[in-house]
Amino acid sequence: NAGVTQTPKFRILKIGQSMTLQCAQDMNHNYMYWYRQDPGMGLKLIYYSVGAGITDKGEVPNGYNVSRSTTEDFPLRLELAAPSQTSVYFCASSGGVISAYEQYFGPGTRLTVT
Amino acid sequence: ELKVEQNPLFLSMQEGKNYTIYCNYSTTSDRLYWYRQDPGKSLESLFVLLSNGAVKQEGRLMASLDTKARLSTLHITAAVHDLSATYFCAVDGGAGGTSYGKLTFGQGTILTVHP
Repeated sequence: NAGVTQTPKFRILKIGQSMTLQCAQDMNHNYMYWYRQDPGMGLKLIYYSVGAGITDKGEVPNGYNVSRSTTEDFPLRLELAAPSQTSVYFCASSGGVISAYEQYFGPGTRLTVT
Repeated sequence: ELKVEQNPLFLSMQEGKNYTIYCNYSTTSDRLYWYRQDPGKSLESLFVLLSNGAVKQEGRLMASLDTKARLSTLHITAAVHDLSATYFCAVDGGAGGTSYGKLTFGQGTILTVHP
């Protein structure tokens, strides 16, 4: 049982490039989330999903897109990377209301845009 | 808009001492979470608080929730070096199960425990 996994661990992008951050979970959780954490700050919600095929925006969705074609996977797409997107990105999953929405976090992806 | 504020933001403690971290939030919520983050690592769930008056304890940490005051506390008893980390509170912005776990995080409290 790997829990929540994320790839890559580190990435450097040039301004204007695009990339996809991968997230997978093996806990059969319906709810998945993407957060970003800027230095010295708390996490901010980018997008979330309540099940395959259903996604919605969080607090800071601009510059990002998501899709959820399976229960297990929830990739985050960055289009036209900007320096403001330099951050650590965490994916999380939750079993929903029956587990009080307690979230389990992946190890994170550290992204630098230069 | 839900705002979550923690204080203090930095806490330097001696081993053996007690202290409390405070988490205030601005709108009604009935779910609050505490997480621990070690440097360069992910977040580890510590406590889930679901109702007014909820109290949970694990080792030297005890968390409580007062929904009427919109306040949660994380109390540290007889601190040890291994407790050094950043502690976050996070609040679920919806009441009655309508928010799907969309969390708003506090800024975090960096705790350093000295010998």
